[in-house]
Amino acid sequence: EVQLLESGGGLVQPGGSLRLSCAASGFTFSSTGMSWVRQAPGKGLEWVSLFSRDGSSTYYADSVEGRFTISRDNSKNTLYLQMNSLRVEDTAVYYCAKHLVGTKSFDCWGQGTLVTVSS
Amino acid sequence: QTVVTQEPSFSVAPGGTVTLTCGLSSGSVSTSYYPSWYQQTPGQAPRTLIYSTKTRSSGVPDRFSGSILGNRAALTITGAQADDESDYYCMLYMGSGNWVFGGGTKLAVL
Repeated sequence: EVQLLESGGGLVQPGGSLRLSCAASGFTFSSTGMSWVRQAPGKGLEWVSLFSRDGSSTYYADSVEGRFTISRDNSKNTLYLQMNSLRVEDTAVYYCAKHLVGTKSFDCWGQGTLVTVSS
Repeated sequence: QTVVTQEPSFSVAPGGTVTLTCGLSSGSVSTSYYPSWYQQTPGQAPRTLIYSTKTRSSGVPDRFSGSILGNRAALTITGAQADDESDYYCMLYMGSGNWVFGGGTKLAVL
């Protein structure tokens, strides 16, 4: 069974940093593209970042480019999102999502971790 | 910046059929955008319903179907049930490693 478990969320002040983790199991993590998607309170979904399945490319939404860094440790089956220079508008539940090969879509989601940016 | 558009809300009677759509502020949605659809109930993670325009995800009942209607992607629910009351999001692949979600449609079954 595919499982994705996010952790690392919490309360942080504006300008601060936080690192999220997503522990994966039940599939071949090293050959699967993985993304982060977020949802601000009461708002819709927003794609944040992708780590490609071949490990050669990373992509970011304009709203986080230059502040967030996605990475992965295939030996630990874990995806990360390093978030720096956090803003109030980064407050959201952050989901990791598994890409379905060849479909440009997701087939499995974690339960999410809440990040609150507030002074 | 291209915006992905969805109806903010929709209602359907139990047993009825409803079609939710997903468009672009500029241009037409085609299969090249790999439209996908996700269902989300309050407090829960999204669930994948449809990918690559019309392929149902594993375990999704066949009363959910995807298509292209005119210049928009569409999600049709046939024989709506009470537990279909959810938020529905479409997502389009815009190329160059960039995905955009629509604003979501809140579906009421009543």
